[in-house]
Amino acid sequence: DAKTTQPTSMDCAEGRAANLPCNHSTISGNEYVYWYRQIHSQGPQYIIHGLKNNETNEMASLIITEDRKSSTLILPHATLRDTAVYYCIVRVAQWAAGNKLTFGGGTRVLVKP
Amino acid sequence: NAGVMQNPRHLVRRRGQEARLRCSPMKGHSHVYWYRQLPEEGLKFMVYLQKENIIDESGMPKERFSAEFPKEGPSILRIQQVVRGDSAAYFCASSPPGQGYYEQYFGPGTRLTVT
Repeated sequence: DAKTTQPTSMDCAEGRAANLPCNHSTISGNEYVYWYRQIHSQGPQYIIHGLKNNETNEMASLIITEDRKSSTLILPHATLRDTAVYYCIVRVAQWAAGNKLTFGGGTRVLVKP
Repeated sequence: NAGVMQNPRHLVRRRGQEARLRCSPMKGHSHVYWYRQLPEEGLKFMVYLQKENIIDESGMPKERFSAEFPKEGPSILRIQQVVRGDSAAYFCASSPPGQGYYEQYFGPGTRLTVT
């Protein structure tokens, strides 16, 4: 799986959009971009994933650049409960390659009132 | 639909004892994964199992650690002769059967403390 690079930490104001960048310059054509988050002391939580098109669900939006070398997770209206470590993970799409998630350091997001 | 369940949530063991961590996947899920998170570190994959089969154990320490997912009952992660370095949070995740590409749903974790 391709390596990802994320900022170590970032602050966000409550009620504002939080934009979390992720670089994955070595991503290959069959790799998806996945986002998970881990709220303190809890198990990781799936947020969203995409291949090349932008994606949106009830939690967030995922914007993937046209060359797929980077992406941005957008939390549209951050709340205090969004304070967590956010992980950007690139995974190969082939089942035979295994399903394990490779977590990096992630971005520690602190939402401030 | 209940989520992934893990028990116990907290486990204290003395050095040299055995630790057994249980994971019940979500209903209908037949793929189970175990991850470990050492204090102040990221999550590391340990093992991936399907019913009665170990699919990928590339992240398992070579000694003292074993995992199973029997036909009936929960998945078990077993650590023999625990040492202080085994103190960590152990997370289990599950995903549905089939060869599709599914997100993993995580349990709340078991926090193991070795004294």
